[in-house]
Amino acid sequence: DAKTTQPPSMDCAEGRAANLPCNHSTISGNEYVYWYRQIHSQGPQYIIHGLKNNETNEMASLIITEDRKSSTLILPHATLRDTAVYYCIVRVAGGAGSYQLTFGKGTKLSVIP
Amino acid sequence: EPEVTQTPSHQVTQMGQEVILRCVPISNHLYFYWYRQILGQKVEFLVSFYNNEISEKSEIFDDQFSVERPDGSNFTLKIRSTKLEDSAMYFCASSVSSNEQFFGPGTRLTVL
Repeated sequence: DAKTTQPPSMDCAEGRAANLPCNHSTISGNEYVYWYRQIHSQGPQYIIHGLKNNETNEMASLIITEDRKSSTLILPHATLRDTAVYYCIVRVAGGAGSYQLTFGKGTKLSVIP
Repeated sequence: EPEVTQTPSHQVTQMGQEVILRCVPISNHLYFYWYRQILGQKVEFLVSFYNNEISEKSEIFDDQFSVERPDGSNFTLKIRSTKLEDSAMYFCASSVSSNEQFFGPGTRLTVL
């Protein structure tokens, strides 16, 4: 799986949009970008994933650059409960590919009142 | 909303003892996983399980570890002879396909 690079920490004011960047310059054509988060030692929580088109669900939006070498996770209106470590993971989905998730150190997002 | 459950939430054991960590995956899921997280470190993959057999395992998952799906609902991780360095949070996860994995709340294992 391709390697990802994320800033170690970010702050965001409550109610504002949180934009979390991820670089994955060695991503392959069949690799998806996944985002998970972990709130204070709880189990990781799936947020969103995408291949090349931008994606949106009830939790967040995922913007992937045209060359797919980077992406941004957007939490449109951050709340205190969004304080967590956010992980960007690149992996193959479907078929006979590996299903394991390889977690890095992620970005610790602190939402400030 | 269906969720993955794990028991116990906290397990304390003596070094050298056997422990079994239990998980109930989401009922229609077909893929099952164990991960662990040593305090302050990254979440690490241990093993994946599909169609009643191990499909992948990491270097961490040595002969001291085993997994089993003894019935239609439970998925267990057994550590035969625990070591101090096995102290960690152990997370079970399940998925319908290769897409999103749903994680349980974890079992904190403390080896004394």
